Amino acid sequence: NAGVTQTPKFRILKIGQSMTLQCTQDMNHNYMYWYRQDPGMGLKLIYYSVGAGITDKGEVPNGYNVSRSTTEDFPLRLELAAPSQTSVYFCASSYKNSNQPQHFGDGTRLSIL
Amino acid sequence: RKEVEQDPGPFNVPEGATVAFNCTYSNSASQSFFWYRQDCRKEPKLLMSVYSSGNEDGRFTAQLNRASQYISLLIRDSKLSDSATYLCVNTGFQKLVFGTGTRLLVSP
Repeated sequence: NAGVTQTPKFRILKIGQSMTLQCTQDMNHNYMYWYRQDPGMGLKLIYYSVGAGITDKGEVPNGYNVSRSTTEDFPLRLELAAPSQTSVYFCASSYKNSNQPQHFGDGTRLSIL
Repeated sequence: RKEVEQDPGPFNVPEGATVAFNCTYSNSASQSFFWYRQDCRKEPKLLMSVYSSGNEDGRFTAQLNRASQYISLLIRDSKLSDSATYLCVNTGFQKLVFGTGTRLLVSP
């Protein structure tokens, strides 16, 4: 029973490098979300998707891109890594609509040096 | 005004104590409410949904007051393992809105 799976779990990047954080869910959930959480702070929504082919910005989208070509996958792309993007990134999904609880992956810890 | 406001704590309580957290929200149109638990450096996990009639799950009781726009979480007989951050959550447009959390520390 995998749920929401994120890869990698840890990554160190150099400034200016790019990478893709992978997120996949096997629960046939329509809604998917990307959050970042800085130390001692709350969750901040980066991007979300209400279904395949549809994405929208959250409160902190700058420096990130997403795509949703399938129901299962929702990758997050960092094009030019900056130290301010050092954070823990969580992917989440929910069934059918935004009134349902979200299920989270166990996170990707990203450091930009 | 923040969409969801919580006292950050920490609430320091001894084992066996009863502790309550409140959370206020600004969106009167919110339809769903939840409490999540987050352990240090871990992902948030759903603790319980919150219904208008109030609901209980073992030692945990959640209440919703729509008139005053707040929800509450009561923990009875606190355990050491209850130490965590508790996130108040309600629904916004196409997404959930998470509070920044209330930290609970249960000591022996």
